[in-house]
Amino acid sequence: GDSVTQMEGPVTLSEEAFLTINCTYTATGYPSLFWYVQYPGEGLQLLLKATKADDKGSNKGFEATYRKETTSFHLEKGSVQVSDSAVYFCALSDQGAGNMLTFGGGTRLMVKP
Amino acid sequence: SAVISQKPSRDICQRGTSLTIQCQVDSQVTMMFWYRQQPGQSLTLIATANQGSEATYESGFVIDKFPISRPNLTFSTLTVSNMSPEDSSIYLCSVEGPLNTGELFFGEGSRLTVL
Repeated sequence: GDSVTQMEGPVTLSEEAFLTINCTYTATGYPSLFWYVQYPGEGLQLLLKATKADDKGSNKGFEATYRKETTSFHLEKGSVQVSDSAVYFCALSDQGAGNMLTFGGGTRLMVKP
Repeated sequence: SAVISQKPSRDICQRGTSLTIQCQVDSQVTMMFWYRQQPGQSLTLIATANQGSEATYESGFVIDKFPISRPNLTFSTLTVSNMSPEDSSIYLCSVEGPLNTGELFFGEGSRLTVL
């Protein structure tokens, strides 16, 4: 079945540091890939997405590139801020599995001033 | 994007009681989804609720424990029955985003603590 694996957290960075959160996936079809973010006390919000190989999703300074050859969708940001502190979830949606979203385990990011 | 409202946002419940969570969407949607997020864990799909038919439950979840109603295209409820401390979780309602994208919109969740 489909699965998503993320690096375990927490990830603790200083403000303005470079961020990478690794995400790899397995899927039977040709999935769409997503990063969702959950700020403290809130529900999930879509951060960015990519629907086919080599697509790059970007939003709020975050980027992720759909790499079919390595089955990866790593999240990056060049300079994190304290306000980026949240839990980040990588997810995939596979049409072959009825478009259900499969989530990774989540990675907590803590950014210190 | 859809605006999804859930009630209650949080509650503290006694063991053995039941609680119903409401989910209201500001537009008509075909499918609504209920997820559970246990403390420090990722999201697990409980069931898919279509208007006019019985909900479809994922492996490990049963209707007697998590009955779902879907009376119209903008509303759904999830009941957590006969609660135990293991049911302490955030329960999230979600709806489909743009057609065939696989994207979901989420409510803010209902945080239940069972004593």
